[in-house]
Amino acid sequence: EVQLVESGGGLIQPGGSLRLSCAASGFTVSSNYMSWVRQAPGKGLEWVSVIYSGGSTYYADSVKGRFTISRDNSKNTLYLQMNSLRAEDTAVYYCARESKGGGYYSDWGQGTLVTVSS
Amino acid sequence: VIWMTQSPSLLSASTGDRVTISCRMSQGISSYLAWYQQKPGKAPELLIYAASTLQSGVPSRFSGSGSGTDFTLTISCLQSEDFATYYCQQYYSFPLLFGPGTKVDIK
Repeated sequence: EVQLVESGGGLIQPGGSLRLSCAASGFTVSSNYMSWVRQAPGKGLEWVSVIYSGGSTYYADSVKGRFTISRDNSKNTLYLQMNSLRAEDTAVYYCARESKGGGYYSDWGQGTLVTVSS
Repeated sequence: VIWMTQSPSLLSASTGDRVTISCRMSQGISSYLAWYQQKPGKAPELLIYAASTLQSGVPSRFSGSGSGTDFTLTISCLQSEDFATYYCQQYYSFPLLFGPGTKVDIK
């Protein structure tokens, strides 16, 4: 059974850093395209970043240069390093696995809340 | 950058109703469109991909149609568990984008 479990969220001051983790089971993270998608309180879904099985990474313009997606193959875990956090980064962050068809998400974690506030 | 709109933003309906939700793109995306259902406090769930292909396990009352710039999600006979928010998502090009959402609530 595929399972994705996010952790690492919390309250952080503007300008601070946070690293989110997504522990996967039931499949191999490094063999899949994995993304982070976020949702601000009461708002819609926003794609944040993707890492391909080959290691290529892509980012939304809103986080480019501040966020870094990575994975640890030995731990079968996906990460999102978030630096220079802003109030507008406040959201529930979901990790998601792309379906083999590519580009859409068949599996999601439960999400972890990041609140950026002083 | 592709722009996406969904309509309506809010849809009030009763169980048993047939409902349709529209998703419109600012440029053609072939059939690279997915639909998701999200309930409060939960992660989204994939309903349809490739514009019209039903995800495994999704009830057949859900269907999708369209290609190019105009897409539709139809629920043929609304059930109580279908009251939720629905999002379309294009995966034709980066950045991957989700529509603003359509909330289906009880009339």
